Amino acid sequence: SAVISQKPSRDICQRGTSLTIQCQVDSQVTMMFWYRQQPGQSLTLIATANQGSEATYESGFVIDKFPISRPNLTFSTLTVSNMSPEDSSIYLCSVGASGTAAGNTIYFGEGSWLTVV
Amino acid sequence: KNEVEQSPQNLTAQEGEFITINCSYSVGISALHWLQQHPGGGIVSLFMLSSGKKKHGRLIATINIQEKHSSLHITASHPRDSAVYICAVDKTSGSRLTFGEGTQLTVNP
Repeated sequence: SAVISQKPSRDICQRGTSLTIQCQVDSQVTMMFWYRQQPGQSLTLIATANQGSEATYESGFVIDKFPISRPNLTFSTLTVSNMSPEDSSIYLCSVGASGTAAGNTIYFGEGSWLTVV
Repeated sequence: KNEVEQSPQNLTAQEGEFITINCSYSVGISALHWLQQHPGGGIVSLFMLSSGKKKHGRLIATINIQEKHSSLHITASHPRDSAVYICAVDKTSGSRLTFGEGTQLTVNP
């Protein structure tokens, strides 16, 4: 199993500022993912955080807006840059662990609720 | 059309009722996940399926790979089961998921 600690859990941010979200896992994991959940919607993958190399971003998400760090196999950060009200969302990190050949059990952080005013 | 479709979007039940949530997908997958999200936002993994059926307590999940369809059943539903249930597929066994829109379940006492 994997226990994920994510912070901050909640924040209110001023338009134009940036905020960094941290995700700490209690075991080493190869793959870490960052998701966004806009109000009333399901989760959308922002990027895969790769240890030792640049993150892999999904269509519609760019490094300048969502820079990601992955300095080791237990930690990652996501920064939401130059925020606007449209960035108000829950941001979640996720890892896969304890798997079989078909796939891994998926674990999520508690989520970071960001409100941009 | 979304690669993962869930139905219904919203479901209200009385305590004790048997509940079924459906998930259909249109892509090849290595595994399908059922997740539960409570109002606080936290997400918990309920099941990972690659074939057949799994049971955990009052929850049962089935998958038909040929039909590209999965169902989540809750027996003897309880108000504490009220949550959003999300179906997600892993296309590559790499833990990178594609999500359905979720089903908001409300169980009334």
